[in-house]
Amino acid sequence: GQQVMQIPQYQHVQEGEDFTTYCNSSTTLSNIQWYKQRPGGHPVFLIQLVKSGEVKKQKRLTFQFGEAKKNSSLHITATQTTDVGTYFCAGRTASKLTFGTGTRLQVTL
Amino acid sequence: DTAVSQTPKYLVTQMGNDKSIKCEQNLGHDTMYWYKQDSKKFLKIMFSYNNKELIINETVPNRFSPKSPDKAHLNLHINSLELGDSAVYFCASSKGRGYEQYFGPGTRLTVT
Repeated sequence: GQQVMQIPQYQHVQEGEDFTTYCNSSTTLSNIQWYKQRPGGHPVFLIQLVKSGEVKKQKRLTFQFGEAKKNSSLHITATQTTDVGTYFCAGRTASKLTFGTGTRLQVTL
Repeated sequence: DTAVSQTPKYLVTQMGNDKSIKCEQNLGHDTMYWYKQDSKKFLKIMFSYNNKELIINETVPNRFSPKSPDKAHLNLHINSLELGDSAVYFCASSKGRGYEQYFGPGTRLTVT
C-alpha cells in the first residue's frame, strides 16, 4: 500500500536556528497537506499544495511540493519555542489521504 | 463552539471490557474518520465514513466497530479491550474525501 515517510523522526534545535522536515511518498500524489500537532493537542491543518513544484509561505514557514509530486518539505526559518510540536505531511491519492510518520520538533532557548 | 468534539476525553478501563467513544461535528462535513495514534505518534487511519456509508476500513480487528447514525456523528465501539488498544483515538471530519481534515481533541484510552 501507499507509504509516506518523513525524516528526520525527531529534531532538537536552539531557538533561532532553522528547521526542515522532508516528506516522501511511495506513489505520485494529487496533493500534499501539512498539519501541526502541539504536545498534548490534536493535528491542525496548516496548508495544502497541489501543483508540481509549488512553493507557499506562511510567515516563517515555507512549504514546497516536488516536481514529481512524490515529495515535499517544510522549512521553518528562525525557530521559536511556539514552533514545538509534531509536523505531519499527508499525501492525497484518488482514494484517500495518508499521513506521514511525523517529525517531532523540540526548540530550546 | 467546538467544531469536532469527542467524549470522553480520558478513558481508563480493564482488559476484557467493552467501551464506546463518541464523536460529533458541527461543520456540515460529509466525511468522518477515526484515527489511532500510538505512543510513537504515528497516525493510523482506522475507518472513514462518507454520508453515513463506510468507505475506508483498514486492517483493524473485528473488535472495533464504527457506527454513523447520521452525517454529523461517528461513534467507535470496542469490544474485549486489550492492552495494545491503549492509545489516543482521534475523530476527524472533512468536506469530502481528500480535503483537509479537522480533528477532535482526542480520547486517551488506557487499558490496564
